[in-house]
Amino acid sequence: SAVISQKPSRDICQRGTSLTIQCQVDSQVTMMFWYRQQPGQSLTLIATANQGSEATYESGFVIDKFPISRPNLTFSTLTVSNMSPEDSSIYLCSVEREPLQGYTFGSGTRLTVV
Amino acid sequence: KQEVTQIPAALSVPEGENLVLNCSFTDSAIYNLQWFRQDPGKGLTSLLLIQSSQREQTSGRLNASLDKSSGRSTLYIAASQPGDSATYLCAVRSGGSYIPTFGRGTSLIVHP
Repeated sequence: SAVISQKPSRDICQRGTSLTIQCQVDSQVTMMFWYRQQPGQSLTLIATANQGSEATYESGFVIDKFPISRPNLTFSTLTVSNMSPEDSSIYLCSVEREPLQGYTFGSGTRLTVV
Repeated sequence: KQEVTQIPAALSVPEGENLVLNCSFTDSAIYNLQWFRQDPGKGLTSLLLIQSSQREQTSGRLNASLDKSSGRSTLYIAASQPGDSATYLCAVRSGGSYIPTFGRGTSLIVHP
């Protein structure tokens, strides 16, 4: 399965600031997925990132708040903008390296906004 | 719309017990089902992937079964250990969607 390097692993940020999370995959993949996991909850998909096109956002998530870049087939970033304490969550990136061969996740970014 | 339910939500057992975690899904038109483990504050680690044509998969002390017609999967953990303490999530890849549907997970504590 694919190996994903996700950075940072955790951060504590001041409200009103922004944090950019990076994911690097060890092979080329078409789609990368970004998730949010709020405390005690399951995963919620934020957006799907394709190389060369704008990300597709799920209901409740907007580009101004969660801008995503996908400059090539192995790398993506998610920015959490103008943060508030409600943004405190674990953020995860994921890929499906080969069709129907299962999903691989990054190690997660644990974000606390104070 | 696919819905995935995991029972129980939480489980606390003494070391050495054999465990069964359950995952049910509403739409049987699936490609595969994947079991994950998540440690607190961390990402998801894939444990087992079962394709729709398969009945079960095994890895060490873990065995996952799939009954597509009844919409159920079970994860069997043999001889549980404190190191098995984590949250276990199942995810279903349904036909017509490249986005998996996750259950809410089973939080497992194995105490010495």
